[in-house]
Amino acid sequence: GQQLNQSPQSMFIQEGEDVSMNCTSSSIFNTWLWYKQDPGEGPVLLIALYKAGELTSNGRLTAQFGITRKDSFLNISASIPSDVGIYFCAGPGARQLTFGSGTQLTVLP
Amino acid sequence: EPEVTQTPSHQVTQMGQEVILRCVPISNHLYFYWYRQILGQKVEFLVSFYNNEISEKSEIFDDQFSVERPDGSNFTLKIRSTKLEDSAMYFCASSEQGPTYEQYFGPGTRLTVT
Repeated sequence: GQQLNQSPQSMFIQEGEDVSMNCTSSSIFNTWLWYKQDPGEGPVLLIALYKAGELTSNGRLTAQFGITRKDSFLNISASIPSDVGIYFCAGPGARQLTFGSGTQLTVLP
Repeated sequence: EPEVTQTPSHQVTQMGQEVILRCVPISNHLYFYWYRQILGQKVEFLVSFYNNEISEKSEIFDDQFSVERPDGSNFTLKIRSTKLEDSAMYFCASSEQGPTYEQYFGPGTRLTVT
């Protein structure tokens, strides 16, 4: 099946810093989705990307759909404590959504 | 804002028992999904459902699993004879259009099989 490789696996940053994480695939995707998951809760959709090269923002979050359609990155600017959580990329195949392994973000005060 | 809801939030059951997990998708959505997440691991696709039938299922979704839309609002996942390894968070999701579009997830049901 399709595999999504997410990096880094975990990050520790100081409050106020910017952070970047990315997701790569061996397959082409026509859509990239970014989700955030807090402990014990369901994934919450942050950003959806539908076109190669597309750059989309949602507040302090910015995501880009790679030109090759095999990668995407998510940036968070000026991190705050509530940014803590696991960030997943997800790529819909023809009939199902495949999730990356996640990036665990810790924001230190 | 419309959201996916799931009940119960936590279910404890004995091995071999049947469980039914319930979901109410967002009302104008037509595509429904179940996923599971074993503790500390990534979210894994189980099954998608559209127009009252299964569209796609993963290798995890074997004969002990079934899904149903018993009425116009509920979407259920039944595990017929639970095993210890079925212990996980189970998430329901729905989308307005097909699986290549945005999917919205419920808060999950934590299933513990003892």
